[in-house]
Amino acid sequence: QVQLVDSGGGLVRPGGSLRLSCAASGFTFTDYYMSWIRQAPGKGLEWVSYIGSSGDVIYYTDSVKGRFTISRDNANNSLYLQMNSLRAEDTAVYYCASAVAGPGNDYWGQGILVTVSS
Amino acid sequence: DIQMTQSPSAMSASVGDRVTITCRASQGISIYLAWFQQKPGKVPKRLIYASSNVQSGVPSRFSGSGSGTEFTLTISSLQPEDFATYYCLQHDTFPWTFGQGTKVEIK
Repeated sequence: QVQLVDSGGGLVRPGGSLRLSCAASGFTFTDYYMSWIRQAPGKGLEWVSYIGSSGDVIYYTDSVKGRFTISRDNANNSLYLQMNSLRAEDTAVYYCASAVAGPGNDYWGQGILVTVSS
Repeated sequence: DIQMTQSPSAMSASVGDRVTITCRASQGISIYLAWFQQKPGKVPKRLIYASSNVQSGVPSRFSGSGSGTEFTLTISSLQPEDFATYYCLQHDTFPWTFGQGTKVEIK
């Protein structure tokens, strides 16, 4: 069955770095664009970043530009989010997701908590 | 960036009620709008894509409409399992943006 498994979260101090990973299985990863979406505690959903199926098209929300880098390894069915210069406002559950805009099926990881605090 | 404004932010409704949630875009987005449902502690689930296309497996009581700047999600007869928070997402222009959410609570 389709699975997206998020990992790599945790507690980090302001200014620190983390790398999130998302391992995909059960579908043809190379056919799908991927996104990272986050949700701060008690808040709404926020789209963070997009990467095209081959990795050649990338976009970010303004608040993470220059600090976050999305990438993918199609040979290993994996998606990544390198997060640098982390701020308290980056504290959130981060979800990897495929094809969220449709058509077809959208798939989501279980979410991983990133806490930025001193 | 395109701003998405949902209304209402929260509402109370009874089982069997017809519920309508509106999402307004700050500029035209054609039909590039999706609707998601999220229950507490759960992963979001897409209900509607391209404004009016119901995702496979989603009950027929859910429908979507609209184009340009105004969109609606309608639940024709609210069921107990529909109490949740609903979000719209515009994917016409990067950065993609979500509405702030509409929490549907039990009256």
